[in-house]
Amino acid sequence: GAGVSQSPSNKVTEKGKDVELRCDPISGHTALYWYRQSLGQGLEFLIYFQGNSAPDKSGLPSDRFSAERTGGSVSTLTIQRTQQEDSAVYLCASSFGGSSNTEAFFGQGTRLTVV
Amino acid sequence: AQKVTQAQTEISVVEKEDVTLDCVYETRDTTYYLFWYKQPPSGELVFLIRRNSFDEQNEISGRYSWNFQKSTSSFNFTITASQVVDSAVYFCALRGGTSYGKLTFGQGTILTVHP
Repeated sequence: GAGVSQSPSNKVTEKGKDVELRCDPISGHTALYWYRQSLGQGLEFLIYFQGNSAPDKSGLPSDRFSAERTGGSVSTLTIQRTQQEDSAVYLCASSFGGSSNTEAFFGQGTRLTVV
Repeated sequence: AQKVTQAQTEISVVEKEDVTLDCVYETRDTTYYLFWYKQPPSGELVFLIRRNSFDEQNEISGRYSWNFQKSTSSFNFTITASQVVDSAVYFCALRGGTSYGKLTFGQGTILTVHP
């Protein structure tokens, strides 16, 4: 597709359930990022993938959060045993290569509500 | 450690006024990259501009202009003759030359342009 695609756009889940959020990056982009944006807050870095390198997981808030990227393309962010504080918009972005000077393009986000 | 500060949480102006959004950053990297993103009510982050640390030339794009000053670690964004469509949240972001993935964002400035 032309841009970064995320699914679902909205997800409501019960506390304690697991959820999976999907991101399809722009074709040809080797770098992929996940960010979280809580209501009225800035963007919190979660994880970064670049090609076949080990991902930078330094932003994952707890071991309930994990992410994988299959075949260097699609990525899935998994949140286990969801808590109400996990409610936020989860944003995915992608960019060319591993160079610092390339801009990241963002998807529309997945709005997660934990009830 | 990297840090981006957008001191203005909210700005309200009347259409046709000029408005400047402030951004101050901190980094130990000698090479780094600065970005501005716009987040309209639809939620998707839209890339506006990238600036390299070794290029202090200011830039103008239509009604938008950016003033980069390394001496004060600032990268301010000015909208001339604001329009209602400029209403959005604006984020300033920083990526260090040695941290390929992680974009550090400021908290954002909510700009409201009234007709």
